Amino acid sequence: DAGVIQSPRHEVTEMGQEVTLRCKPISGHNSLFWYRQTMMRGLELLIYFNNNVPIDDSGMPEDRFSAKMPNASFSTLKIQPSEPRDSAVYFCASSFQGGLDEQFFGPGTRLTVL
Amino acid sequence: LAKTTQPISMDSYEGQEVNITCSHNNIATNDYITWYQQFPSQGPRFIIQGYKTKVTNEVASLFIPADRKSSTLSLPRVSLSDTAVYYCLVGEEGSQGNLIFGKGTKLSVKP
Repeated sequence: DAGVIQSPRHEVTEMGQEVTLRCKPISGHNSLFWYRQTMMRGLELLIYFNNNVPIDDSGMPEDRFSAKMPNASFSTLKIQPSEPRDSAVYFCASSFQGGLDEQFFGPGTRLTVL
Repeated sequence: LAKTTQPISMDSYEGQEVNITCSHNNIATNDYITWYQQFPSQGPRFIIQGYKTKVTNEVASLFIPADRKSSTLSLPRVSLSDTAVYYCLVGEEGSQGNLIFGKGTKLSVKP
C-alpha cells in the first residue's frame, strides 16, 4: 500500500480564495482524521470520521472550514474563504478503527494564504 | 479529558539512553497511553502504546508505574536520526482525548 496520500503537497493562495485539500486513506482503514499544525498551536485535530461519518468536528475552527468523506477512499477539507491565519500544514491520517489504533499520517499539505 | 504535560525540549548525545516523561495526573481507568514521533516535514509516526507496567518493541520501551499518573518513553542508545518531536497522548477509544497531540517534546541528539 502507498500509505495515506494527500494532495496537493503545497498550496499558495490569496486571501478570500477557496482551498480544497484532498486525502486518500489506506485501503481497509475505517477511520480518517484531519489535523492542522502550526508553530503556535502545535498539532490540532480538526475532524474525525468513522466509516465515512463525521464523529467529532469540534476542532473545526469556524464555518469557513468544512470536511466531507463521500466514500471510504476519499476525503476533502475545504476552506472558503481562506484567510492568512489559516496558513499551516494540514495532515490527514487514517487508522483501522478509531483514534486509539495506530494512526498513519500522510505527508501533509503546506498551505500558505497571502 | 486526561491532560498531559511533557518537557518542551531535551538534549542528548549519540549513544545515550533518553527518557522522556509525560505526566497525566487525571488519567481515567479506560485510558491508554500512546507515543508518537515526528520528524521535520513529516507527519507523526506511532512508536508505542501501553496500559500499565512495561511495554517494549524494537524501537522503544514504555514504563508506566502502578498509579499510571505518568509514563516514561525510553529510547536506548539514541542516534542523530532520533532527533524529532515526541508526543504523549492519553485517552480511551471513542474519546477525543486520545487525539490531543499538543506541542510534544523536541529531542535534539548531538554528536
